[in-house]
Amino acid sequence: AQKITQTQPGMFVQEKEAVTLDCTYDTSDQSYGLFWYKQPSSGEMIFLIYQGSYDEQNATEGRYSLNFQKARKSANLVISASQLGDSAMYFCAMRDAGGTSYGKLTFGQGTILTVHP
Amino acid sequence: SQTIHQWPATLVQPVGSPLSLECTVEGTSNPNLYWYRQAAGRGLQLLFYSVGIGQISSEVPQNLSASRPQDRQFILSSKKLLLSDSGFYLCAWSVGLRPGNEQFFGPGTRLTVL
Repeated sequence: AQKITQTQPGMFVQEKEAVTLDCTYDTSDQSYGLFWYKQPSSGEMIFLIYQGSYDEQNATEGRYSLNFQKARKSANLVISASQLGDSAMYFCAMRDAGGTSYGKLTFGQGTILTVHP
Repeated sequence: SQTIHQWPATLVQPVGSPLSLECTVEGTSNPNLYWYRQAAGRGLQLLFYSVGIGQISSEVPQNLSASRPQDRQFILSSKKLLLSDSGFYLCAWSVGLRPGNEQFFGPGTRLTVL
């Protein structure tokens, strides 16, 4: 069974600094995808970044980058130049290949990020 | 462009009452549809998913059920709500089953069972 672990219940960062949110995963599949979502207090789930298991380069999307270490089964999210609007809950999620799982997402427990001015 | 709608946005229901939450997707065809529940301060738990009309798969045993009467309509129901059914319910869609096909989420329904 797939499992996502986010060991940081809460993180604090000063505005304009960088922060790393940890995520480790466990799967026996060779083909899988890793996602990060942001959930503000409004509750909506906002897609941030995706990394495929066969991608050799770390994914980047603006201020977001994913530090993918396949051998260690980790997919940490790095947010550079933090902004006050980055304060939210962040979820790491994994999606395996189709077949019987139908591409379901397995989520971690989330990390609450608070950005201080 | 594709959009996903959920209603109602908030709901307060007494224990033992029925439930019907609706999710509709616009701008795409034959999407995979998903219902998640999120307890306060917790991660998302997948409840049901559907890859086609009338096809429903359940992830966890519970007193909830789901139906997909139309291609882009997904309904979550219960005949008798329990206190433990309180939570934030999110509907999501995706196209394709490859790992890179991201899921897009609706705005959610916040359900309180009293």
